[in-house]
Amino acid sequence: DVVLTQTPPTSSATIGQSVSISCRSSQSLLDSDGNTYLYWYLQRPSQSPQLLIYLVSKLGSGVPNRFSGSGSGTDFTLKISGVEAEDLGVYYCVQGTHDPLTFGSGTKLEIK
Amino acid sequence: EVQLQQSGPELRRPGSSVKLSCKASGYSITDYLMHWVKHRPEHGLEWIGWIDPEDGETKYAQKFQSKATLTADTSSNTAYMQLSSLTSEDTATYFCARGGVYYGLLLNWGQGVMVTVSS
Repeated sequence: DVVLTQTPPTSSATIGQSVSISCRSSQSLLDSDGNTYLYWYLQRPSQSPQLLIYLVSKLGSGVPNRFSGSGSGTDFTLKISGVEAEDLGVYYCVQGTHDPLTFGSGTKLEIK
Repeated sequence: EVQLQQSGPELRRPGSSVKLSCKASGYSITDYLMHWVKHRPEHGLEWIGWIDPEDGETKYAQKFQSKATLTADTSSNTAYMQLSSLTSEDTATYFCARGGVYYGLLLNWGQGVMVTVSS
């Protein structure tokens, strides 16, 4: 199975600060169809996860544009440009290129 | 508006089974895969498997092959997951999630259902 390693496991930020989260895959996530099936989800405390980013860099519907995704192959990054209080929670990268679907270990974002 | 309404919290004894439901509204469940995901705070999110309600095809993560059984009832637009031979390791919150046009795209999530396994 593909292993997704997220760093850091925990991040603490002040309001307005920019934050980056890394997701490294044990295999390339570039599919033979040319797509890279890498997603980012946020699970706020006591809530269901929600989609932030799909196909590495495409913003989910209704997701603020302070969120952005980048990367290719095995290395991917989620960036929050100007953290807001509502951004606290656990961020997960997910890959769908290889079966089975796998989740990263999560990065907990705390607000100082 | 797409909504996934999951059944209420469950308390079960070790060795028993439980069947969870996920009723969809705002779309037909035959249009997309339905995924199930396990959450334990100390372990994060784990993908259990998916069902294609249109033809009943299923796919499971290896560790859930003999633990979970996914079914769907198209007449009620509802997906189900049965968990068998429950142990304390199955104590968790379980989510259903609607798939999208890309594999791994989990567009809408249920509110989650807490399953507690305790003697």
